[in-house]
Amino acid sequence: GAVVSQHPSRVICKSGTSVKIECRSLDFQATTMFWYRQFPKKSLMLMATSNEGSKATYEQGVEKDKFLINHASLTLSTLTVTSAHPEDSSFYICSARDRGTDLNYGYTFGSGTRLTVV
Amino acid sequence: AQSVTQLGSHVSVSEGALVLLRCNYSSSVPPYLFWYVQYPNQGLQLLLKYTTGATLVKGINGFEAEFKKSETSFHLTKPSAHMSDAAEYFCAVSEEPEKLVFGQGTRLTINP
Repeated sequence: GAVVSQHPSRVICKSGTSVKIECRSLDFQATTMFWYRQFPKKSLMLMATSNEGSKATYEQGVEKDKFLINHASLTLSTLTVTSAHPEDSSFYICSARDRGTDLNYGYTFGSGTRLTVV
Repeated sequence: AQSVTQLGSHVSVSEGALVLLRCNYSSSVPPYLFWYVQYPNQGLQLLLKYTTGATLVKGINGFEAEFKKSETSFHLTKPSAHMSDAAEYFCAVSEEPEKLVFGQGTRLTINP
């Protein structure tokens, strides 16, 4: 089945530095990838939709300059948290839509990245 | 706009008992509905989904859900709970292409 690899699974960084999170579709092409943020004991909040070869679409309230998204190929999307602050600490999850399942909305999720900013 | 409400942030059942997790949705068009499971510090795994056709959908690990349009519900059930079922469960709806909206989640605890 479709597999999405997300890396790193955990990262600790100092306040003010930037962190890059990668999301790869391993055995399928993903024209669209999604980035979610999950607060402790809360649901997933969609941050942005990443389209291959074009600019990401951000949800209302999400800072574009802080959460940089790049989707340079059909198998890779990256989320860079710039100038990270402790309030950016969270669990970030990516999801990819299998290009071959337009009619069935096949979404596959990565295993998540736990970001801690100290 | 679409929305999802999961009734009960925490459900506790005994091992071997029926599991029932409730989900109601709001959508202006026929929705696509999903149930996902999340284990601690992991991503989401698809349990099952409803798109079109048969309203009773069977998923992995013995779970199933029934789409009831008249009740705008998509409740998740499993006849006999297993200890390994303990996790967080999310109901989600997709109305617009490519956009999932999640419910707030239900934590399922299994008592020995």
